[in-house]
Formats: sequence, C-alpha cells, structure tokens
Amino acid sequence: DSGVTQTPKHLITATGQRVTLRCSPRSGDLSVYWYQQSLDQGLQFLIQYYNGEERAKGNILERFSAQQFPDLHSELNLSSLELGDSALYFCASSAGGGEGSYNEQFFGPGTRLTVL
Amino acid sequence: DQQVKQNSPSLSVQEGRISILNCDYTNSMFDYFLWYKKYPAEGPTFLISISSIKDKNEDGRFTVFLNKSAKHLSLHIVPSQPGDSAVYFCAARNSGNTPLVFGKGTRLSVIA
Repeated sequence: DSGVTQTPKHLITATGQRVTLRCSPRSGDLSVYWYQQSLDQGLQFLIQYYNGEERAKGNILERFSAQQFPDLHSELNLSSLELGDSALYFCASSAGGGEGSYNEQFFGPGTRLTVL
Repeated sequence: DQQVKQNSPSLSVQEGRISILNCDYTNSMFDYFLWYKKYPAEGPTFLISISSIKDKNEDGRFTVFLNKSAKHLSLHIVPSQPGDSAVYFCAARNSGNTPLVFGKGTRLSVIA
C-alpha cells in the first residue's frame, strides 16, 4: 500500500459526459501528479500540483482540468468525453516540489475510465 | 517523440536465471533514472533509482546500470523469481521534483 488513494476504482460513462477523479496523497506529501496510461502505452504525464498551485503541465487536453485543494487532495476533471479518453488514470504524490531534491513518487492504484 | 524507450515489449526468463531489462533515452538533460514495477490492477511501485553521477546502484537482487555516453540503462534481476513477473517501467526526469517521463514498459515473465 503506497498510501495514495484514488476514487473511484472503475468508472463507466458515455461520450460527451463529464467525470471527476479524486486523489488523496500520502500524508505530508505536497506534490500531486496525474498520469494517463492508454492501452499499450507508457504513463503520460498530465499535470502536477505543489501545495495547491500548478507546477508543471504535460500533454493535458483542454477538455481536462485539475486542482489541488487546501487539504492537498486533488481532483482531475474530464469533460466532453470521447472514446479515446478510455484509459487508466494514475495519481502520484511526493514529499517535495522544489528544485534540487529527489523525492520518490508514490502511485495510487489508478482509476480505470471506460467511455462507451 | 519518445524520450524514454523500452524496445522489448516482453521478456521470458527461467526462474533462477538473470533478467536484463533495457532502456534508452534521448534527452541529455535527464539526470535521474528510476525503475518501477507494476502488477495488474495496481499502481506502479518504485523499485530502484540511479543518479547520473553514478554508473551502478544495487539493492538486493536488483542492480541498475547507467551508461551516460550511450544514453542507456539496464535493470538486472538476479536470481529471477516467479514473483518478479510484472511490467517494468523505466522512467527519467530532470533535477528536482519534476514529472517523470516513462517508457512503454517491458512485461517480464519468470517461468518456474
């Protein structure tokens, strides 16, 4: 158990809908990262938050957005869903967020999103 | 453009033998490399890492080798055990708590 929790575990929805994925980082971790894993693909970085502020942005579509709340949990919002958005979405957390430190990222179990 | 490449999608090894998983990268700014292991229905689990100032790091049965000039790293598992059967991801990043860049993974099957 990494200490990172993600809900829900599975989500099935239809095209055009909107969903929210939730992540609670390990106790004390300030950074939260979101990754997407599509079929036969590696994990693609979407976005990083550090202590409530956006720190880095990757290949995140404009239909997707995220935020990190004062209690440090994070939500990833996916809207106008398309079939191609079906994937595993992982959240990871790490202790720091500053330059020069190498804190390991710990991953949650993921949310499997299926868009029909 | 794939910055981290794992060219072998799968590998089968007999129990007790050595497993060697390979990874190549293109971005010379990467200075920290990690291996993650992933079982089905679970998130990736950190296995071992290496900084670019080293060329080898060992942890029990797991050793990672880094060849900076070739932009290549490898993970050696000796001896391989059936419980090692999983997907192994190579990842890299620049300094600090920057996002990880992952390869597509290699599925290791250790046969008893």
